[in-house]
Amino acid sequence: EPEVTQTPSHQVTQMGQEVILRCVPISNHLYFYWYRQILGQKVEFLVSFYNNEISEKSEIFDDQFSVERPDGSNFTLKIRSTKLEDSAMYFCASSTTNEKLFFGSGTQLSVL
Amino acid sequence: GEDVEQSLFLSVREGDSSVINCTYTDSSSTYLYWYKQEPGAGLQLLTYIFSNMDMKQDQRLTVLLNKKDKHLSLRIADTQTGDSAIYFCAQKGGTASKLTFGTGTRLQVTL
Repeated sequence: EPEVTQTPSHQVTQMGQEVILRCVPISNHLYFYWYRQILGQKVEFLVSFYNNEISEKSEIFDDQFSVERPDGSNFTLKIRSTKLEDSAMYFCASSTTNEKLFFGSGTQLSVL
Repeated sequence: GEDVEQSLFLSVREGDSSVINCTYTDSSSTYLYWYKQEPGAGLQLLTYIFSNMDMKQDQRLTVLLNKKDKHLSLRIADTQTGDSAIYFCAQKGGTASKLTFGTGTRLQVTL
């Protein structure tokens, strides 16, 4: 069964460093998303992406965040200068019709 | 804004039915979802319901929606130890593309 793949599963970085989280969505999907879950808190929406542009973003998704679909298969989330409070599990998701979202296993980001 | 609430913990015996409840505030919700998260794993879509439906059944899972009270429930029949996980309720409102998640309910299945 097709699935959303995220790499790496764990990422440790120093505060102020740039990180890129990678995702390979399901191949025929058209909508792509990033969510995150800080330990002990709710899963929060960050951004949705469709037709090569951001369709919706949350207040969390400020200038430090960017997304890109550099080729036909990958979907990346970049955090330019990480802060301690960016430590979270980051989930990528994709869907065909913006109705059923399929999530990856997540990347646990730890900012030291 | 949108808010989704769930109780944090539920314990049931193997073979019993589990009922996980969720309330939401967004009256423009179009779709409501149940996701399952096992330890170390991602969010697995279990089932979802369109807001003009009252009920949806899928094998051991039954979703009930009371739109007037903005209440959603997930019933798992014949609960098994493999059902132990965190269950998240989520809603999608209007033309928005984002899902708003609840806190998750940890289901513990005992022998």
